Amino acid sequence: EDQVTQSPEALRLQEGESSSLNCSYTVSGLRGLFWYRQDPGKGPEFLFTLYSAGEEKEKERLKATLTKKESFLHITAPKPEDSATYLCAVQAGTGANNLFFGTGTRLTVIP
Amino acid sequence: KAGVTQTPRYLIKTRGQQVTLSCSPISGHRSVSWYQQTPGQGLQFLFEYFSETQRNKGNFPGRFSGRQFSNSRSEMNVSTLELGDSALYLCASSLGWTSGNYEQYFGPGTRLTVT
Repeated sequence: EDQVTQSPEALRLQEGESSSLNCSYTVSGLRGLFWYRQDPGKGPEFLFTLYSAGEEKEKERLKATLTKKESFLHITAPKPEDSATYLCAVQAGTGANNLFFGTGTRLTVIP
Repeated sequence: KAGVTQTPRYLIKTRGQQVTLSCSPISGHRSVSWYQQTPGQGLQFLFEYFSETQRNKGNFPGRFSGRQFSNSRSEMNVSTLELGDSALYLCASSLGWTSGNYEQYFGPGTRLTVT
């Protein structure tokens, strides 16, 4: 069964304290792994797409990496404005019905 | 390039009523998908449209329906509203799987409250 699991569910960091969020997946035929940021009451904001193991993408303080079983979202020296829920989604086949979302990691960065 | 837009942003309805939500995709995107998001269930796939045809449907009752127009704009309808339909309804647009690009871009959502 295709499955996406994110950990931890919630993470509190001091400003400047780097950490990583995890997204592990069991799908057949990975076509892409996506990271989104979602603020309360808003739609998810697209961050990264990763297609193959070993791939890395960076944007400001965020860096996403991919292996055959999991992806990490590394946050370097976070700021309070990085506080949000980070969602991971895996495309396992064609069609939106084959896009599987994790339940997210709620990140809080304390000044 | 303008992003995905959804109207209305907020809606309050009573049980038994029906509601129509609207979504305008990013220019050039031909695929529109709809999702329901609740705190307990996370993001749940409703349906996907491509070139005015429903391509895929999630596990929701027939009270949930949708359609897509020739300009790729999409509407979603929920009839006979129930309290459990209270949620954030999200629309996402993409180029479509035929392009080999699966990236989906979400709109701001419509917050539906059923009383």
